[in-house]
Amino acid sequence: RKEVEQDPGPFNVPEGATVAFNCTYSNSASQSFFWYRQDCRKEPKLLMSVYSSGNEDGRFTAQLNRASQYISLLIRDSKLSDSATYLCVVNKGDSGAGSYQLTFGKGTKLSVIP
Amino acid sequence: DTAVSQTPKYLVTQMGNDKSIKCEQNLGHDTMYWYKQDSKKFLKIMFSYNNKELIINETVPNRFSPKSPDKAHLNLHINSLELGDSAVYFCASSLAGGFTEAFFGQGTRLTVV
Repeated sequence: RKEVEQDPGPFNVPEGATVAFNCTYSNSASQSFFWYRQDCRKEPKLLMSVYSSGNEDGRFTAQLNRASQYISLLIRDSKLSDSATYLCVVNKGDSGAGSYQLTFGKGTKLSVIP
Repeated sequence: DTAVSQTPKYLVTQMGNDKSIKCEQNLGHDTMYWYKQDSKKFLKIMFSYNNKELIINETVPNRFSPKSPDKAHLNLHINSLELGDSAVYFCASSLAGGFTEAFFGQGTRLTVV
């Protein structure tokens, strides 16, 4: 099982649609979870952290299920500007090597179409 | 002010050469990283450096070596460049060993010819 696994897409959705991305991680000791966004030929930037209780930021909602080792991101009312690659990111949280490493999924590409 | 800056932005060089990429962060972070993003867009950790502790991804060839002159800098040296080293290299930094947001530099697009 890959450390962090995502559906690569692409997801092509019309403006205004709701789209959901899923991610699974293999290390049950992982402690921190994030969604990053990467625009074409740009660096990744934090979209939101993911908390056990779930969290929402405007049109974006992130959920974490530790039992299933599953993370999700929901985007409501998609905008053209949401077109990007969305990266699921996990910190292993081990006390030894790996405790300082953020592991990225391969990303899910979203294209919002007019 | 740029939080994490890397230079150069573009680097084209011949096989066999030795090159360096510089990275500086002005955020006061204690952990810095180097990531490689290949043609398939997969971001893979190469090194992380925290309080003088270097953690190396075992898949990274020893032709790659990070050098940290101080807490704000983590440079990447690459010896005997190969065609397969062509990629975008990102420097990043964070607080507290990666339990919080990581900030990335704009990337260095390395092309080996």
